[in-house]
This record gives sequence, structure tokens and C-alpha cells, in this order.
Amino acid sequence: QVQLVQSGAEVKKPGASVKVSCKASGYTFTSYGISWMRQVPGQGLEWMGWISGYNGNTNYAQKLQGRVTMTTDTSTSTAYMDLRSLRSDDTAVYYCARGSVPGTGRDQVYNWFDPWGQGTLVTVSS
Amino acid sequence: DIVMTQSPDSLAVSLGERATINCKSSQSVLYSSNKKNYLAWYQQKPGQPPKLLIYWASTRESGVPDRFSGSGSGTDFTLTISSLQAEDVAVYYCQQYYSTPITFGQGTRLDIK
Repeated sequence: QVQLVQSGAEVKKPGASVKVSCKASGYTFTSYGISWMRQVPGQGLEWMGWISGYNGNTNYAQKLQGRVTMTTDTSTSTAYMDLRSLRSDDTAVYYCARGSVPGTGRDQVYNWFDPWGQGTLVTVSS
Repeated sequence: DIVMTQSPDSLAVSLGERATINCKSSQSVLYSSNKKNYLAWYQQKPGQPPKLLIYWASTRESGVPDRFSGSGSGTDFTLTISSLQAEDVAVYYCQQYYSTPITFGQGTRLDIK
């Protein structure tokens, strides 16, 4: 079955960086894009950006431009989200999710999400 | 950015009764060329990731019980649970995928009365 499995919880100090992985299985990785969302505990969902599984094209939320980098490794069907200069308000559960419609163009960012990874809690604290 | 506003923030409904959640977008998410509304609904239970229920505003995802239905067009949308079951207790989110940044509603918490 289609599955996304994320890396484990992280604790980081302010100013540090974190890299979360998202390993896909059960489908052709290069046929779909991956979006990343985050959710502060008890609050709503925030879209962080999208990366094409086909060619690595990205579309980042303007709010995070300059601090976030999304990459893929097609040889292992894994997507990565790197967030730098961490602050306390970056403490959240981070999710990866597959775009539901296959394709290779930049318009694949305009998609609903299914499935989602299990989530990775990133805690930023001094 | 398209702002998604859900109402109410929370509601409590008796088992077997109808639950209705509304979602309003700050601009239309109806794409004129294909006449599709770029709107999805998710269910999230504690400690779990969101689960897709509805896409294209009214298309039920495979495996989702038919008591869940979506309706609406343009800027106003509704998720209806026709007969509430205990397992439907969750937070529900709408999401627009018409433009970036992709945005979600703030969530509606559904409980049993």
C-alpha cells in the first residue's frame, strides 16, 4: 500500500537546523509531488511547500523562503525538508504528504493530499 | 493568500443526528476552465495525521463512509455527516488547492452531545 514513513522526533536549540526525512513506498516516487505541512500542537495546519518527485522543482511558502530547503533522493524514494535558523515558534509536528494526482509539471503543486506521513515532532528549546 | 474560514469552531451533535460544518474562502476556488472547485476536506483524530475525506468539493475518497458528503461552489462549502457515529469525533479541516500558498481552515472540533 502507499505509505510515507518519516524520521523520528528531534530536539534542537534555537538557531540550529533540522532535517526531516519522508520515505515513500508502494508507488512510483517520480510520478508524484510531496508537500510538507506543520502543525503546532493543538492548532491548525500550515503548508510549508512542495517538491516535485520528478525533477526536484520546488514551491515554498513565502513566509519560509530563505529558511527552508526541500530535496529528494529518487534512488531511495525519500524526500527531505531542511529548516534552518530554528526559533521556538518552529516547535511543531511536521508532516509530509503526497499529492494525489500524478504528473511531472509545476501544476502538480495544486493538489489535495493523500496519504500523509505519521508526523515528526520537532521541539526547539534552549 | 486565500483565507479559509470555518464555522463553527466547535459543535456537539447527538449520535445519529446530522452534523454540518461550513467553510468559506476569501476568493473563489472554482477554476473556470474545468468547472472544478479546488477544495478538500480532512478528518484528524488525536495523535494522527489528517485523513482525506472529500476532494473537488464533493467527491468522496474511496473507503470513506457515505454518511460523509461535501457540497458548495465558489466560496461557500459544507461538509455534512448525515448520521453521526462515535468514531466521527475529530477535528475537521477544509483546504484549498486553487493557488499557492495552499491554505487550510482553522479546524472545527466535533464532539458527541
